[in-house]
Amino acid sequence: NAGVTQTPKFQVLKTGQSMTLQCAQDMNHEYMSWYRQDPGMGLRLIHYSVGAGITDQGEVPNGYNVSRSTTEDFPLRLLSAAPSQTSVYFCASLLGETQYFGPGTRLLVL
Amino acid sequence: GENVEQHPSTLSVQEGDSAVIKCTYSDSASNYFPWYKQELGKRPQLIIDIRSNVGEKKDQRIAVTLNKTAKHFSLHITETQPEDSAVYFCAASVTGGGNKLTFGTGTQLKVEL
Repeated sequence: NAGVTQTPKFQVLKTGQSMTLQCAQDMNHEYMSWYRQDPGMGLRLIHYSVGAGITDQGEVPNGYNVSRSTTEDFPLRLLSAAPSQTSVYFCASLLGETQYFGPGTRLLVL
Repeated sequence: GENVEQHPSTLSVQEGDSAVIKCTYSDSASNYFPWYKQELGKRPQLIIDIRSNVGEKKDQRIAVTLNKTAKHFSLHITETQPEDSAVYFCAASVTGGGNKLTFGTGTQLKVEL
């Protein structure tokens, strides 16, 4: 049981490039979320999903897309990276009310 | 939407002393309040949570109190140890919307020897 996994751990992008942050969980949790963490701002919800085929926007969705084709995977896509998207990204899955966070992806956009 | 404010942003205590971190929330519908600990470079981890039908909850050296009328809740750490040094986040959500947590901005706790 690996829990919540994220890849890559670290990524450098140039402005305008696209990429996908991967997130997977093997706990069969229906609920999954993406957060970004910036200094002094805590964690902010980007997108979330309540099950395969269902996604919705969180607090800061602009510039990000998600899909949920399977229960296990919840990728986050940056279509055209901007320096403002430099952050640490955490994926999480939910059982009951408890969030289980992945190890995070540190993204630097130049 | 929900807004969670957290104070202080930094807190330094001597080993063995107590530490208190306070949060306020704005949405009276919020009824689930978890606290997370995040060590440097690591993921946030749940340390304790409380639901609105309970006023206080304790787990060894950690306790959380909730005042629904005033819309504030607090984390209390007693007999602090160096390994308690970390960033602590409070959060709030509505039951059933648990994956829509609203987080506070965090408190950097430093326990000095």
